[in-house]
Amino acid sequence: QLRLQESGPGLVKPSETLSLTCSVSGISIRSSDYYWGWIRQSPGKGLEWIGSIYDSGSTYSNPSLKSRVTISVDTSKNQFSLKLSSVTAADTAVYYCARHIRGALDYWGQGTLVTVSS
Amino acid sequence: QSALTQPASVSGSTGQSITISCTGTSSDVGAYNYVSWCQQHPGKAPKLIIYEVSNRPSGVSNRFSGSKSGNTASLTISGLQAEDEADYYCTSSTRSNIHVFGGGTKLTVL
Repeated sequence: QLRLQESGPGLVKPSETLSLTCSVSGISIRSSDYYWGWIRQSPGKGLEWIGSIYDSGSTYSNPSLKSRVTISVDTSKNQFSLKLSSVTAADTAVYYCARHIRGALDYWGQGTLVTVSS
Repeated sequence: QSALTQPASVSGSTGQSITISCTGTSSDVGAYNYVSWCQQHPGKAPKLIIYEVSNRPSGVSNRFSGSKSGNTASLTISGLQAEDEADYYCTSSTRSNIHVFGGGTKLTVL
């Protein structure tokens, strides 16, 4: 059974870097059919795609966040990670990791709340 | 990249059918058949219910159906049930390998 699980600090200070990891079980992250992505949802708001990585290491990011986003993959640990730099209160959100193929996000993690506050 | 346009809310009575629209452009919805829909209940992670415009993942009720015409995709839920009350989001890949969401539609079952 495929499972994704986000982990990382729940509180980040303004101007610092948010770092999250998504651990994948039930499938090798090296499968060439899939992208692995990050999505967030600010309190009471809709879903926002942050970015995705392909097994080759190619990454694609939301243009509105691109300059602050780094997504990487660690195939030895079957994990992929998100770094979002220079965070502000506007980055407070539930962050989800997900697998996607041909535009469909078919498996999601349960989400983790990250609050940006001093 | 602008978000796809969905109605903020729709409602219907138990047993009725409703349709939620999702309007994009020729660079996203109109470009490929890579439109999908997910359902989100409060406090839960989204769940995929339609992929590639009209396909249902295993285990998803056949009361959910999808279609597309030009730059607009649609989700229809027939035989509304109380458990269908949730937020619904359309998503699409774009020509530039960017992924966009609709703003979400809150479905109320009366």
